[in-house]
This record gives sequence, C-alpha cells and structure tokens, in this order.
Amino acid sequence: GIQVEQSPPDLILQEGANSTLRCNFSDSVNNLQWFHQNPWGQLINLFYIPSGTKQNGRLSATTVATERYSLLYISSSQTTDSGVYFCAVERMDSSYKLIFGSGTRLLVRP
Amino acid sequence: NAGVTQTPKFQVLKTGQSMTLQCAQDMNHEYMSWYRQDPGMGLRLIHYSVGAGITDQGEVPNGYNVSRSTTEDFPLRLLSAAPSQTSVYFCATGYRLNTGELFFGEGSRLTVL
Repeated sequence: GIQVEQSPPDLILQEGANSTLRCNFSDSVNNLQWFHQNPWGQLINLFYIPSGTKQNGRLSATTVATERYSLLYISSSQTTDSGVYFCAVERMDSSYKLIFGSGTRLLVRP
Repeated sequence: NAGVTQTPKFQVLKTGQSMTLQCAQDMNHEYMSWYRQDPGMGLRLIHYSVGAGITDQGEVPNGYNVSRSTTEDFPLRLLSAAPSQTSVYFCATGYRLNTGELFFGEGSRLTVL
C-alpha cells in the first residue's frame, strides 16, 4: 500500500513563529488533504490539495505531485494552532481509500 | 443541518459483547467511512462505502462489519468485542472521495475490558 510520512513528528513553537510541516508519499495520488485535530479530538479539514497551492488566512499548503510531497505552512502561529496535523492521500488508482500519515504534533506556547 | 452525527460518544464493553456504532449524515454525501485512532497514531481506515448498497474493506477490517442501506446511515458493528478494539472511532463523509474534502464526526470512544 501507499506510504505516508510526516515530519517533524513533534514541533514546539513560540507564539508568533512560522513553521513548515512536510508530507511525503510513496506513490502517485489524486487526492491529498490536510487535517487539524484539536486538543479535544475534533478533526477539521484544512485543505483539499492534490496539486498546486492554496491559502486560507495564516495557513497555506503546496503539493508537488510529481515529486510526491506536500507542505503545510503556518505563519504567525497562535496557541489555538496547537494540536496534531495530519496529511492523508488517496492513491491514483481511485481506490477510495484515504490513507493517513502519523501526524505532526504541534504545541504553540504563549 | 447537523453534519455528521456519531452515537454513542462513549461506550464500555466486556470482551465478547457486541455493539453498533451509529453514523448519520444529512449532507447527501455518497462517500462514508469509518476510521479508528489509537493513542499517538494516525487514523486507520476500517471500512468505507461509495453509495447505498456498496461497501468495501479498508486497512484494518477484521472484527468489524458494515452495511449501507440508506445514503444517510453507515453503522459499524462489532460482533464480538476484543480488548484490541479499544480505540476512538471516527466516521467521515464526503461527496466523492477524490473530488472534495472529507468531513468528520466528533468520534466515539470505545473501551473493551
């Protein structure tokens, strides 16, 4: 099956700092999504981004499908950004299976 | 508009008992799926459905059954619970998996003693 690797596994930031989270995947994909799981366990979709670049406020994401990676940028981090960030991909053969990486755990300190 | 509703939110079972986790959505989504999340890990796909009457296995299907008799509901059944099934279960839905985002329920925490 497809492998999804996220780095770094853990990240501690001071409020106001910027960060870049990375997602590498082992096969061609036609679907890539980023999710944020808040400290209460709720999962929220941040981006549907199989290719290209998108921005939403302080967050932006870029997927380079030909090189099999995606990046999530968080600028001017806030304590509410804390939680776990997951990347999930669906392989190009439309397997209907969205496979998750193990996540990056982010702690933003005030 | 309730979105994705999971019940129950918490459940404690004894080994060998059976139960059903319910998932209901009111967004007319074709795609529905169940994931489990174990401590410190990502989410693993159990089963999924691309429409009423159509289901298939995910990464970790053993010990779980599903059915999809309506567009709105996608129950997950544990026929004989085992301690290894202690986990947090999430239902996720979307219009079509490869054309849009996935929406998650709030999760159901299951403990099997």
